[in-house]
Amino acid sequence: LAKTTQPISMDSYEGQEVNITCSHNNIATNDYITWYQQFPSQGPRFIIQGYKTKVTNEVASLFIPADRKSSTLSLPRVSLSDTAVYYCLVGGDHTNAGKSTFGDGTTLTVKP
Amino acid sequence: DAGVIQSPRHEVTEMGQEVTLRCKPISGHNSLFWYRQTMMRGLELLIYFNNNVPIDDSGMPEDRFSAKMPNASFSTLKIQPSEPRDSAVYFCASRGDTLGYNSPLHFGNGTRLTVT
Repeated sequence: LAKTTQPISMDSYEGQEVNITCSHNNIATNDYITWYQQFPSQGPRFIIQGYKTKVTNEVASLFIPADRKSSTLSLPRVSLSDTAVYYCLVGGDHTNAGKSTFGDGTTLTVKP
Repeated sequence: DAGVIQSPRHEVTEMGQEVTLRCKPISGHNSLFWYRQTMMRGLELLIYFNNNVPIDDSGMPEDRFSAKMPNASFSTLKIQPSEPRDSAVYFCASRGDTLGYNSPLHFGNGTRLTVT
């Protein structure tokens, strides 16, 4: 079971870059790393996914070192609307037939 | 793509009543998940279906909870009888198969259940 560890909360200011790191020491060879964003009163929303090195899309970047035991979600120039909970998931828990278990996530608060 | 559709959005019921939550997954997705979210316990996985078959229901709290997926386009989560501690937001999510179990989840907007 590839359990993940993230900071419980982070604060930032508008316009800053935010980096949220997730530890996943027991990641399996076939596991991808997926990040979700959740706003209040909504379901989590997929934002980015990667296997190794760096992935970038219109929302964020994901940095994965060679050993893949951690990953960093980078949000460039955050705004107030980026205030949300961010979850890191590894694989789909292949040891349990593909079910997906969420941890506590990181609550990001962006201040003006 | 209409996304995952859940109904109702809000449900208020009295203790002891039966509650049925409904979910329509994204067409073509072969996995479906029911989650429950509370402030105290976070996002808990209740049950997971693959190709309409329940694979893991170890997260279902007790026998009062049951879930079905009679076909690929519909699932229900039933609570009978309901209790105040069941009050939570219940999410349904579906997953395609492009990356196998690594494929991203797509969530509905949830059902907020209040049991008085």
